[in-house]
Amino acid sequence: RKEVEQDPGPFNVPEGATVAFNCTYSNSASQSFFWYRQDCRKEPKLLMSVYSSGNEDGRFTAQLNRASQYISLLIRDSKLSDSATYLCAVNPNQAGTALIFGKGTTLSVSS
Amino acid sequence: DGGITQSPKYLFRKEGQNVTLSCEQNLNHDAMYWYRQDPGQGLRLIYYSQIVNDFQKGDIAEGYSVSREKKESFPLTVTSAQKNPTAFYLCASGDGYNQPQHFGDGTRLSIL
Repeated sequence: RKEVEQDPGPFNVPEGATVAFNCTYSNSASQSFFWYRQDCRKEPKLLMSVYSSGNEDGRFTAQLNRASQYISLLIRDSKLSDSATYLCAVNPNQAGTALIFGKGTTLSVSS
Repeated sequence: DGGITQSPKYLFRKEGQNVTLSCEQNLNHDAMYWYRQDPGQGLRLIYYSQIVNDFQKGDIAEGYSVSREKKESFPLTVTSAQKNPTAFYLCASGDGYNQPQHFGDGTRLSIL
């Protein structure tokens, strides 16, 4: 099993739709999780951090399910500007190591 | 403004040539990282450094070298031993355990 897995998509949704992505991780000791947004040919930018059960920021909600070892990102009322690739990152809970990134899920919002 | 600066934005390498990518941060972060991203692929870790004068190999270190002589700087050299260097190179820094990483805007490297 890969350490961090994401459905690559693409997810094609109309404006105003609600869409959710999942990210599964293999290391049960992981303590912190992050969602990044990456636009085409740009660097990833931090969208949300998830340290406990979840986090909400406007139209975006991230949730953590430790029992099933996945985190999810919910986007409500999708906008055209939400079109991007969403990367999940997991801290492997070992001091002195780097985040492990999934390959990303591509979202395309159309009018 | 605080941030991570990568230069150059675009770089072209000739066969057999070593090239160095610059990464500077003024966020006072202890940890710095280099990733490679190929089209349609995720981020692959090349090297990382938790403190000055110390660094560790990531998943794809062969053909690359780094140094960490200053906290603010973590240059990456792509050597001639790296036979397929064309990619988007991303530098990141972080403020410690369980904290997110923040990225520079990347360098695109191509072979002439």
